[in-house]
Amino acid sequence: DTAVSQTPKYLVTQMGNDKSIKCEQNLGHDTMYWYKQDSKKFLKIMFSYNNKELIINETVPNRFSPKSPDKAHLNLHINSLELGDSAVYFCASSQPMGPASGGPNEQFFGPGTRLTVL
Amino acid sequence: DQQVKQNSPSLSVQEGRISILNCDYTNSMFDYFLWYKKYPAEGPTFLISISSIKDKNEDGRFTVFLNKSAKHLSLHIVPSQPGDSAVYFCAATSPNFGNEKLTFGTGTRLTIIP
Repeated sequence: DTAVSQTPKYLVTQMGNDKSIKCEQNLGHDTMYWYKQDSKKFLKIMFSYNNKELIINETVPNRFSPKSPDKAHLNLHINSLELGDSAVYFCASSQPMGPASGGPNEQFFGPGTRLTVL
Repeated sequence: DQQVKQNSPSLSVQEGRISILNCDYTNSMFDYFLWYKKYPAEGPTFLISISSIKDKNEDGRFTVFLNKSAKHLSLHIVPSQPGDSAVYFCAATSPNFGNEKLTFGTGTRLTIIP
């Protein structure tokens, strides 16, 4: 019973195409994220949504557009794909409020989508 | 601008011995630190965390130590088991950044030798 699922697992496409990656979580969390892990293994946050509202938007090209139809889904649409977009994209979710200690809540990650742009 | 650094890309340890993974950070605003573990073809999973008001947090075989003055933390695994072979990511955050914004290191691949 997968907690955070992503589709597709692998995506190979040509430069200039438009593609989407879907993410769903069945944990009842209010906050969802997209991360990008590039070839140098940096895992960087791209976006976060809290209950369908954009909270974090890092300096990501506007070719990347997250869409949250409901709080269980956060899809990532990428226009005009470029070679540098090749990476592994991870979706994650958490509850927005931290524990009594004041720290962040645990983020649960999906298995990742490996995007290869040719 | 790499604010969280894991300078050892890989580490090999004999089964049963102690594994020590290190992490350094540069941003003094960070006040909460986490370790995530990642197996191939899976997403990272949370392992253990520590608040900056503490210098040690222990959970079973896993202990995280924090040295704020040195901006350094380490994860100790003892005894190491074959199932511990994975990539370990250090991450940091701060309420100033909205707590949910985690800054990750590049990971250390730990291999436990049977």
